[in-house]
Amino acid sequence: DAGITQSPRHKVTETGTPVTLRCHQTENHRYMYWYRQDPGHGLRLIHYSYGVKDTDKGEVSDGYSVSRSKTEDFLLTLESATSSQTSVYFCAIRDRLFGNTEAFFGQGTRLTVV
Amino acid sequence: ELKVEQNPLFLSMQEGKNYTIYCNYSTTSDRLYWYRQDPGKSLESLFVLLSNGAVKQEGRLMASLDTKARLSTLHITAAVHDLSATYFCAVDNLLRGGSQGNLIFGKGTKLSVKP
Repeated sequence: DAGITQSPRHKVTETGTPVTLRCHQTENHRYMYWYRQDPGHGLRLIHYSYGVKDTDKGEVSDGYSVSRSKTEDFLLTLESATSSQTSVYFCAIRDRLFGNTEAFFGQGTRLTVV
Repeated sequence: ELKVEQNPLFLSMQEGKNYTIYCNYSTTSDRLYWYRQDPGKSLESLFVLLSNGAVKQEGRLMASLDTKARLSTLHITAAVHDLSATYFCAVDNLLRGGSQGNLIFGKGTKLSVKP
């Protein structure tokens, strides 16, 4: 299994509080991604990183920010959590974009905003 | 905007039957990915299809890719209960000359195999 660890695995937080989710990889992969999964929507990209300190927005980036200060860690921050951000969040990593390569996913973080 | 559409979204099958899940996409990508997700679990890579005409098989699952039609199929042969899961297809969304990219997913097909 690819070495990806997400923390925490479960979190309940109150509306308006900041929340940071962590994705840690031991594979030295260049690309890292944050997706959210909601019923009826599949997986939607929030933000991604294509290198240390290189990040860009995805399809549903409003209300989220990310940081990647070193290769192995990609942090997702909800500055002020809202109930609409209740979801399951998945981190994914990928070595390269060409050739026989796919993305590998972490175990997910279930976030509930009350 | 790149779109990936799967159908059906829900599939209830009897054990022993055959069925096909379809994945249509709107880009000119020549690569496509299939993932499996069990309830409450992560996504597991099933197949990586790298070119037009690619066919891959693993047990009772066979995936194929037709890039001209922008269509991939996941065929299930003689279904068994253990295949019950949600199956996702995904396509590369390459940006900035291919230096950046991500995967765009279909909404998934929830497969339930009943005795």
